[in-house]
Amino acid sequence: QVQLQESGPGLVKPSETLSLTCAVSGYSISSGFFWGWIRQPPGKGLEWIGSLYHNETTYYNPSLKSRVTISEDTSKNQFSLKLNSVTAADTAVYYCAMEMATIHCIDTWGQGTLVTVSS
Amino acid sequence: QSVLTQPPSVSEAPRQRVTISCFGSSSNIGNNVVNWYQQLPGKAPKLLIYYDDLLPSGVSDRFSGSKSGTSASLAISGLQSEDEADYYCAAWDDRLNGVVFGGGTKLTVL
Repeated sequence: QVQLQESGPGLVKPSETLSLTCAVSGYSISSGFFWGWIRQPPGKGLEWIGSLYHNETTYYNPSLKSRVTISEDTSKNQFSLKLNSVTAADTAVYYCAMEMATIHCIDTWGQGTLVTVSS
Repeated sequence: QSVLTQPPSVSEAPRQRVTISCFGSSSNIGNNVVNWYQQLPGKAPKLLIYYDDLLPSGVSDRFSGSKSGTSASLAISGLQSEDEADYYCAAWDDRLNGVVFGGGTKLTVL
């Protein structure tokens, strides 16, 4: 059974960089699937941030593309999210996810981690 | 403003049937599969329907999905109180080159 676990600071100052890591167990991230991030502002809907496929391609939400980087560390079987120049609008629960290739169905979700942007 | 359009809320009595609509365009639903997610209060979303109408292992067959043209629907029959949740449709968008979600529909079981 694949399990995903997000980790990272729960509080980030405005204009700084939000950094989160997703540890994957039960499956090697270099063996297939897309690995990505989705966020959900408090009381609002889901927003796909982006996802990567090992050594091949990375897709980003156009509305966030200029500020986002998703990368992988296969030696640790984990992947990461960096979102720079954050504002209060980036306050959200951030979920990491395993996404089926081709149909981009999000098969497995992490439990989510709340990141608050505030000084 | 979400790329896919869902009603903000629906409600129905226990044991009845409810449908949730999801409207898109030719660049998303019209050319790609639709997936549905259920988010129980305070929990992470969970895959409910994939590839338009397929149920993942362990999902009750009271849930069903369909698609026609640029719209899709999720139907839930035999409503139970435990079905109270937010439901999201999603699809790949060829123009945006990414996954797009509906705004979510809150289901209330009366």
